[in-house]
Amino acid sequence: KQEVTQIPAALSVPEGENLVLNCSFTDSAIYNLQWFRQDPGKGLTSLLLIQSSQREQTSGRLNASLDKSSGRSTLYIAASQPGDSATYLCAVYGGATNKLIFGTGTLLAVQP
Amino acid sequence: NAGVMQNPRHLVRRRGQEARLRCSPMKGHSHVYWYRQLPEEGLKFMVYLQKENIIDESGMPKERFSAEFPKEGPSILRIQQVVRGDSAAYFCASRKPGQANNEQFFGPGTRLTVL
Repeated sequence: KQEVTQIPAALSVPEGENLVLNCSFTDSAIYNLQWFRQDPGKGLTSLLLIQSSQREQTSGRLNASLDKSSGRSTLYIAASQPGDSATYLCAVYGGATNKLIFGTGTLLAVQP
Repeated sequence: NAGVMQNPRHLVRRRGQEARLRCSPMKGHSHVYWYRQLPEEGLKFMVYLQKENIIDESGMPKERFSAEFPKEGPSILRIQQVVRGDSAAYFCASRKPGQANNEQFFGPGTRLTVL
């Protein structure tokens, strides 16, 4: 059974710092991996999707990497801003139906 | 091209009532997934439907919950005789058949509160 874990559960950094969020999964037979952002009481905003054949994706200050063999993904945020404060969710697409299996998230607070 | 639409955005029900949550997928998307986010918990898969078919309902509670995606109209997640433990955010996502990366696109969610 696929399990997705995110470390740390919470992170507080001063504005301007570069930071890394970690995601690990137990079954390397995934199709894709996707990072989302969720603001309190809001829906999901897709950040980056990495297909299983890819090793990384970049969008602006965000870079996500994928290492299927080790069951890990990282989300790198450069030059963090207070507006980056949110919960970041990692999810893997798996199984015959490609349902998403989510991690429990990392709550990020960027202090001005 | 409108995104995935869900309504209502907020729904309040008393214990024992029925809740109906609607999801209109993006244009051209015939696959719908429902997920539930309980307070202080992660998002969990509930059910996967294609038009007129339930493909995977392995995440659905065995009682009181049902889902459908008719040939015409939105997908409906129905919760009968709601209890306080059903209070959660319910998200649906849709995808296009045959899309290369199988990406799912999420709606804004319906927040159900059971009094």
